[in-house]
Amino acid sequence: NAGVTQTPKFQVLKTGQSMTLQCAQDMNHNSMYWYRQDPGMGLRLIYYSASEGTTDKGEVPNGYNVSRLNKREFSLRLESAAPSQTSVYFCASSEALAGWIITDTQYFGPGTRLTVL
Amino acid sequence: SQELEQSPQSLIVQEGKNLTINCTSSKTLYGLYWYKQKYGEGLIFLMMLQKGGEEKSHEKITAKLDEKKQQSSLHITASQPSHAGIYLCGAEDAGGTSYGKLTFGQGTILTVHP
Repeated sequence: NAGVTQTPKFQVLKTGQSMTLQCAQDMNHNSMYWYRQDPGMGLRLIYYSASEGTTDKGEVPNGYNVSRLNKREFSLRLESAAPSQTSVYFCASSEALAGWIITDTQYFGPGTRLTVL
Repeated sequence: SQELEQSPQSLIVQEGKNLTINCTSSKTLYGLYWYKQKYGEGLIFLMMLQKGGEEKSHEKITAKLDEKKQQSSLHITASQPSHAGIYLCGAEDAGGTSYGKLTFGQGTILTVHP
């Protein structure tokens, strides 16, 4: 039982390059999330997926796209990387289902450190 | 949207000392989570508080949610170097179909000197 896994752990890109961050969970969770963490700003939600086949924007979605490939996997794509996207990216998952379940623990992956030059 | 303010932003203590980290919300908290993060690693869930006045403890860490559900505190008793890290509070967006979306505070960096 690996929990939430992310690849790669580190990545350096040049401005304008594209890349996809991969995330997978083996806990049969319904909801998955992508956050970015920047110094002094805590974690901010980029996109989330409440169930397989659905995705929604979070607080800072600009410059990103996501795909909920199946129940296990949720990928984050940077189409044209910019220095402002230098950050640590975390994927998380929870059992939360569509509806009124409002208190549910999120489990986090180890993060991807991305630097855009 | 909900905003969470943590204080202090950083804290340096001597091993064995007690300490408190606060998390204040601009709105009523429906679910308040405390996470710990070690440098370069992911977040580790510590505990979740839901009811006004609720208090939970795990080993030497105690978290409380005030009666009005707008402030939470995390208290560490007899701190140890293993307690060092970044502590983050997170809260559910207010009710409804939030799908577990969390808003986080900016984090408190704790350093414990042996």
